[in-house]
Amino acid sequence: TQLLEQSPQFLSIQEGENLTVYCNSSSVFSSLQWYRQEPGEGPVLLVTVVTGGEVKKLKRLTFQFGDARKDSSLHITAAQPGDTGLYLCAGVGNQGGKLIFGQGTELSVKP
Amino acid sequence: EPEVTQTPSHQVTQMGQEVILRCVPISNHLYFYWYRQILGQKVEFLVSFYNNEISEKSEIFDDQFSVERPDGSNFTLKIRSTKLEDSAMYFCASSDYTHLNEKLFFGSGTQLSVL
Repeated sequence: TQLLEQSPQFLSIQEGENLTVYCNSSSVFSSLQWYRQEPGEGPVLLVTVVTGGEVKKLKRLTFQFGDARKDSSLHITAAQPGDTGLYLCAGVGNQGGKLIFGQGTELSVKP
Repeated sequence: EPEVTQTPSHQVTQMGQEVILRCVPISNHLYFYWYRQILGQKVEFLVSFYNNEISEKSEIFDDQFSVERPDGSNFTLKIRSTKLEDSAMYFCASSDYTHLNEKLFFGSGTQLSVL
């Protein structure tokens, strides 16, 4: 069974600080996705990383896929209160189809 | 922007009752999914559906669960005899890709409470 461990589970920081969220597995994933989920809403896709070592940037968010395609990170530079939310990583297994989710990181950015 | 819509947003039911959760996927999408999220736990895959049949299901998706695409637009999840542990947020999702570059669009979910 493929599992994704996400850390930290909770993160409370001040506006302007940087942060990194990690998503780790002992299994290889064909691709990995990062979602953001607001209360009462479904997850919204932020980015998909496919190639080992790939780095993608989305404004102040930087996503990296590990060389071995077993881990990924999300780095936010100069966090803002609008970044507050639940961030989820999800892997597409080697057989395609279903997404396997991490447990999520609840981020709170205080002004 | 096209979106996946789910109804109802909240459903309260008695244990043992049948419930049907409804979803309208994005119109040109071909792949449909149900996921659920029990409070405080991970989002879990339930089932995927393509070409009018189940393509994959998890161990959670037992005989009490069924899915149907009764017409060209709706995609439903039926729980035949609800249990307390079925209480969760149920998300429908759809995509027009498969394998490596899946891009799923999720609905806002149906919060199911089984009493």
